[in-house]
Amino acid sequence: AQTVTQSQPEMSVQEAETVTLSCTYDTSESDYYLFWYKQPPSRQMILVIRQEAYKQQNATENRFSVNFQKAAKSFSLKISDSQLGDAAMYFCAYRRLQEYGNKLVFGAGTILRVKS
Amino acid sequence: GAVVSQHPSRVICKSGTSVKIECRSLDFQATTMFWYRQFPKQSLMLMATSNEGSKATYEQGVEKDKFLINHASLTLSTLTVTSAHPEDSSFYICSARGRDYEQYFGPGTRLTVT
Repeated sequence: AQTVTQSQPEMSVQEAETVTLSCTYDTSESDYYLFWYKQPPSRQMILVIRQEAYKQQNATENRFSVNFQKAAKSFSLKISDSQLGDAAMYFCAYRRLQEYGNKLVFGAGTILRVKS
Repeated sequence: GAVVSQHPSRVICKSGTSVKIECRSLDFQATTMFWYRQFPKQSLMLMATSNEGSKATYEQGVEKDKFLINHASLTLSTLTVTSAHPEDSSFYICSARGRDYEQYFGPGTRLTVT
C-alpha cells in the first residue's frame, strides 16, 4: 500500500519570504500522480499543484513550485514571496493511475503560519 | 467549472437521531464520489467510495450500517449518520470525480452531536 509522510507538523515563514514544505511517499509503482492541497481556515480543500510521475519537469503554478525527486520518492512544495493568504494546512497526496481507482492517499498535513 | 456543494454546512443533532448530508456536483456528472471524515488539525480519512447505481465501498473499520451512503443520481450522493452519538461529531467532506479523473471537493459539513 502507498503511504505519504509529511514530517513537519508546523512551519512558519515571514511574509515575502520563501518556505519549503516536505513530503515523502512510498510506492512500488512507476506511474502515479502527486498533489499538494491547501486547506485554509474555511476548510475548503484547494488544489495547489499537480505532478505526473512520468514527467521529469517540476510543476509550477505562479508562486508555487515543486521539487520532484522520483528516485528519492520526495515531493516538496516551495512557496515563494509568501503572503498572509497562504496561511493554511497543506496536504501532500498520492493517487494511482485512473485504471486503479481514484483514491487519494493523504499525508498528515503541515500547518503553515505566515508572519507579517 | 467542477463545483461541488454540500448541504448542510453545519448541523447539530441530538444523540440517537439520524442526520443526512448531501453532496452535489453542480456543473458536471460524477459517477464516483468520495466521503471523508476529518478531525481538527488532522488529515482527511477516507470513509467510503460512492458509485452511482451501485453499493458504496467502505474503507476498513468504517461501519456501513452506521454511515449509510446512497448515490442515486449522477449529481447527488448522500451520507446518513444513523443513531448519531457524540463521538460521531466531526467534519465531513465529500469529493466528486470529474471527467479528468481529479477529485473536486465540497466545502464540508460540521456535525455536532449533543
